[in-house]
Amino acid sequence: SQTIHQWPATLVQPVGSPLSLECTVEGTSNPNLYWYRQAAGRGLQLLFYSVGIGQISSEVPQNLSASRPQDRQFILSSKKLLLSDSGFYLCAWRQASSGELFFGEGSRLTVL
Amino acid sequence: SQQGEEDPQALSIQEGENATMNCSYKTSINNLQWYRQNSGRGLVHLILIRSNEREKHSGRLRVTLDTSKKSSSLLITASRAADTASYFCATDLNTGGFKTIFGAGTRLFVKA
Repeated sequence: SQTIHQWPATLVQPVGSPLSLECTVEGTSNPNLYWYRQAAGRGLQLLFYSVGIGQISSEVPQNLSASRPQDRQFILSSKKLLLSDSGFYLCAWRQASSGELFFGEGSRLTVL
Repeated sequence: SQQGEEDPQALSIQEGENATMNCSYKTSINNLQWYRQNSGRGLVHLILIRSNEREKHSGRLRVTLDTSKKSSSLLITASRAADTASYFCATDLNTGGFKTIFGAGTRLFVKA
C-alpha cells in the first residue's frame, strides 16, 4: 500500500534562516506530487507541483523553491525565511487512476 | 487564485441534523472532489464526482454536481459530533499535469 511521509512535523525558525521540508512517497512510482500551504483557518494554496523528476511547476512567485531529486522525493526550500512564510505545509501525491490526492500529516512552520 | 469557493464559511448544527455545504467554481473541470480535514491534520479524500455525473452517494454523504451552474453540494445526513471538521471542494485543471485547486472550505461544528 502507498504511504506518504512528511517531516519535520513542527518547525520554529528565525526570519532570514533557511528552510527544508521533505516529503517522500512509498508504494507508487512516478506520482504527481504537490506542495500546498494553509494559513490558519484558511484554504489550501497550491505552491508547486511536479509530474516527474526535475520537473517543477511553480504557482506562486515567492521566496520558496521546490525540487524533486528522486521519483518519490519532493523537497520544499527557502534560502531566507520571511514572517509571511509561517503556515501549515502539506505534501500530497495524486493517484493517477482516480485523481484522488493523498496527503501527508503536514509540517507546521512558525517564523519568528 | 482559487478555483472553488465554498459556502457557508462556517456551519453549526445539532447532532442528527443534516449539513449541506456548497461549492462554486470558475472554469471547466474534469471532476470535483470533496475532502475533509480535522484540525491540524492532513486532508482526507471523501468522494469524487466526474463532470458527466450529476449525483453520487457514499454512506451518509451525497454529492451533486451542476456543470451548467458550475456548482456542487455536499450533504452529510444524520450528522454526528465526529463529523466536526473542515470540508473542502477541489477541482482539477489539466495543464499537462494535473493542478488540483482547493476552495477556502466550510468549517462544520456538530454539537452533541
